[in-house]
Amino acid sequence: GAGVSQSPSNKVTEKGKDVELRCDPISGHTALYWYRQSLGQGLEFLIYFQGNSAPDKSGLPSDRFSAERTGGSVSTLTIQRTQQEDSAVYLCASSGRTSGSNYEQYFGPGTRLTVT
Amino acid sequence: KNEVEQSPQNLTAQEGEFITINCSYSVGISALHWLQQHPGGGIVSLFMLSSGKKKHGRLIATINIQEKHSSLHITASHPRDSAVYICAAPALLITQGGSEKLVFGKGTKLTVNP
Repeated sequence: GAGVSQSPSNKVTEKGKDVELRCDPISGHTALYWYRQSLGQGLEFLIYFQGNSAPDKSGLPSDRFSAERTGGSVSTLTIQRTQQEDSAVYLCASSGRTSGSNYEQYFGPGTRLTVT
Repeated sequence: KNEVEQSPQNLTAQEGEFITINCSYSVGISALHWLQQHPGGGIVSLFMLSSGKKKHGRLIATINIQEKHSSLHITASHPRDSAVYICAAPALLITQGGSEKLVFGKGTKLTVNP
């Protein structure tokens, strides 16, 4: 079946512009995660959505970052007034019930954001 | 201090060698993930394990929950195994729905030469 998809795959933007990154999770997956991987750095958690519960935003680095998940499916990560330090690969993952309480996460291909 | 530590950071091997990558973690109570990231590529989940050992092809993952330590082994390594291998542990168990956000190690860059 279809995996997690993200768009665009690459985005170059000027400093100060707003950008929107999109994630289409695997159909039926209730949980959706956004992660970021900066150059030379490890992956870091940004935000996660679980069903209709309030999202866990504890990983968002500043108030310029926000995310929505409409209808429990597609999610959009928005970065306002982009800065050069926002340049990174933004990864989306989704998970659903498998067994017990452990949920395997399926990753999308990522969006490479470059702020010039 | 990162809550998930991997070693080594870089590893170069000759084709056919047995590879071991180690991961120690101070968070998480339920499961540990091993991920693979190829250069320029996305991330693939290799294993999620909560006890014992799992095997998939030439890849073997083991975990000791009491010692909070896991290892990823690659037998008969091949140049196509060259990638960054990342372990990740759940930072928080959400009881409602059961999903968990991950804390990642910094990755081990493996290069297998022919």
